[in-house]
Amino acid sequence: EDQVTQSPEALRLQEGESSSLNCSYTVSGLRGLFWYRQDPGKGPEFLFTLYSAGEEKEKERLKATLTKKESFLHITAPKPEDSATYLCAALTSGTYKYIFGTGTRLKVLA
Amino acid sequence: DAMVIQNPRYQVTQFGKPVTLSCSQTLNHNVMYWYQQKSSQAPKLLFHYYDKDFNNEADTPDNFQSRRPNTSFCFLDIRSPGLGDAAMYLCATSKGQGKETQYFGPGTRLLVL
Repeated sequence: EDQVTQSPEALRLQEGESSSLNCSYTVSGLRGLFWYRQDPGKGPEFLFTLYSAGEEKEKERLKATLTKKESFLHITAPKPEDSATYLCAALTSGTYKYIFGTGTRLKVLA
Repeated sequence: DAMVIQNPRYQVTQFGKPVTLSCSQTLNHNVMYWYQQKSSQAPKLLFHYYDKDFNNEADTPDNFQSRRPNTSFCFLDIRSPGLGDAAMYLCATSKGQGKETQYFGPGTRLLVL
């Protein structure tokens, strides 16, 4: 069964304290791995798409990486405005479905 | 700016009273999706349209229906809302179904009294 697992469920960081969020996937062929940011009461906002192992994408304080089994979202020197839930989703080859994880709730303290 | 728009942002309905949520897009994307998201849970796909072709998920209750009258608009109809249907409803679009990124609207929060 296709599955995406994110860890940790919740993470509290001090401002400037770098960390990484994990997205592990078990799917029948990966066509793409997507990262989204979701603020409370809002829809997910697209961050990155990764297609193949070894690929990296970077935007401001965020960097996403991909291996054959997992993806990481690295947050460097986070600020309070980075507080949000970060979702990852895997697009499967077999069913063309986006399988979402339950997200990591990040809180950055000033 | 090209975008996905959902109306209303908040909807209150009564138990058993039909309700319709709307989604429009200016991206000219072929695929439109409806997801249900409950607190601290992953978005759950209800159904999607590829152009006019409707694809229902096997576990989507019959209580949920959808219409796509044209490329830009898609509607979610809940025929007899129950308390368990209270959730955030997310509309998303993608250009195709290859390696396409999904773009989401702001969501509609549904409250069932």
